Amino acid sequence: AQSVTQPDIHITVSEGASLELRCNYSYGATPYLFWYVQSPGQGLQLLLKYFSGDTLVQGIKGFEAEFKRSQSSFNLRKPSVHWSDAAEYFCAVGARDKIIFGKGTRLHILP
Amino acid sequence: NAGVTQTPKFQVLKTGQSMTLQCAQDMNHNSMYWYRQDPGMGLRLIYYSASEGTTDKGEVPNGYNVSRLNKREFSLRLESAAPSQTSVYFCASSSGWVFNQPQHFGDGTRLSIL
Repeated sequence: AQSVTQPDIHITVSEGASLELRCNYSYGATPYLFWYVQSPGQGLQLLLKYFSGDTLVQGIKGFEAEFKRSQSSFNLRKPSVHWSDAAEYFCAVGARDKIIFGKGTRLHILP
Repeated sequence: NAGVTQTPKFQVLKTGQSMTLQCAQDMNHNSMYWYRQDPGMGLRLIYYSASEGTTDKGEVPNGYNVSRLNKREFSLRLESAAPSQTSVYFCASSSGWVFNQPQHFGDGTRLSIL
């Protein structure tokens, strides 16, 4: 069955430190991959997407993600986090007839 | 530029009452979606509309109905609200072909069923 797993429910990092949020998926074909961010009380905002081509994709707010087919992963990274990055992050897999969201990773930033 | 607008933002209902959640987008998108978000569950798709005049069930359609009123508007109706429908509801829209396009989300409707 198709699925998306975000292994970390919560992650805490210090401001200025690097960040990696994990996402693993199970899908038979090449999926369409997305990362979204949700600030408290708001809807989801697209950070970046992968459809095909270069496996390292750049997004907004200094985020990037790398698609690794062999590992079925699409991890989100940022070299140096800011306090404003505190939010919940969702990985999603889009297919022909459905979209599946991970359960989210809540990011906490220490000053 | 408003994007996706949802009304109301908050609502409290009693069990058995009915209600319609409204959603409108001004981006000329073809596809629209309704999700519910519950703690620890991520987003789950209730219904979607790939284009004006069509609607399809998502992962959790039971207890809900939808209407794609026109290209801009997509409403979600709870005919007889139940406490299990207490949730945050999000409407979204996208251009192009349904699930392979990025979605634009509204700010949500927080619904409590007593």
